[in-house]
Amino acid sequence: GAGVSQSPSNKVTEKGKDVELRCDPISGHTALYWYRQSLGQGLEFLIYFQGNSAPDKSGLPSDRFSAERTGGSVSTLTIQRTQQEDSAVYLCASSSGGAANYGYTFGSGTRLTVV
Amino acid sequence: GIQVEQSPPDLILQEGANSTLRCNFSDSVNNLQWFHQNPWGQLINLFYIPSGTKQNGRLSATTVATERYSLLYISSSQTTDSGVYFCALLIYNQGGKLIFGQGTELSVKP
Repeated sequence: GAGVSQSPSNKVTEKGKDVELRCDPISGHTALYWYRQSLGQGLEFLIYFQGNSAPDKSGLPSDRFSAERTGGSVSTLTIQRTQQEDSAVYLCASSSGGAANYGYTFGSGTRLTVV
Repeated sequence: GIQVEQSPPDLILQEGANSTLRCNFSDSVNNLQWFHQNPWGQLINLFYIPSGTKQNGRLSATTVATERYSLLYISSSQTTDSGVYFCALLIYNQGGKLIFGQGTELSVKP
């Protein structure tokens, strides 16, 4: 597609429920990243995928968070047993890698509210 | 770990005024980038600037890698410049992940 697409754009969920957030990267981009932006905060790295390599999960805050990327394209970020502190905007980005600036393009994000 | 600090945290300007935003970083520069997050949350890449100076219209950026800081200049500000400005270090040996500063929230008043 023309840009990075994320869905849903907004999600309200009850504490304790599981949620899935979806990211469709730019076609041909080999790298995909997830970041989290909590209210009034900067962006925090969560996880990244590069081609067929094992993902870098070093930013995931707890074992309730997981992500997968199927077929080197679409990615899903799953949060199990959501807590109120999980409320944030979750941003996905893809990049072509290789270029000096990695050609980063961000999606518009999913705003998650845990009530 | 690598630290990225921005100042000021927020800034209010009258339309037409100029401003300078600062980004200090603790590590040698892999790749310093400036982003603008508009009021709708969309992050737009403004500059990739590991060193030197670049200009794009009313915006320009300078990075002095040896002194570990970067500056973003906004001249003749417009209301559409409002939003949050982030600087971020792209870490090549960690797959290109970005380490962001806390941002400068800019509000330009008509």
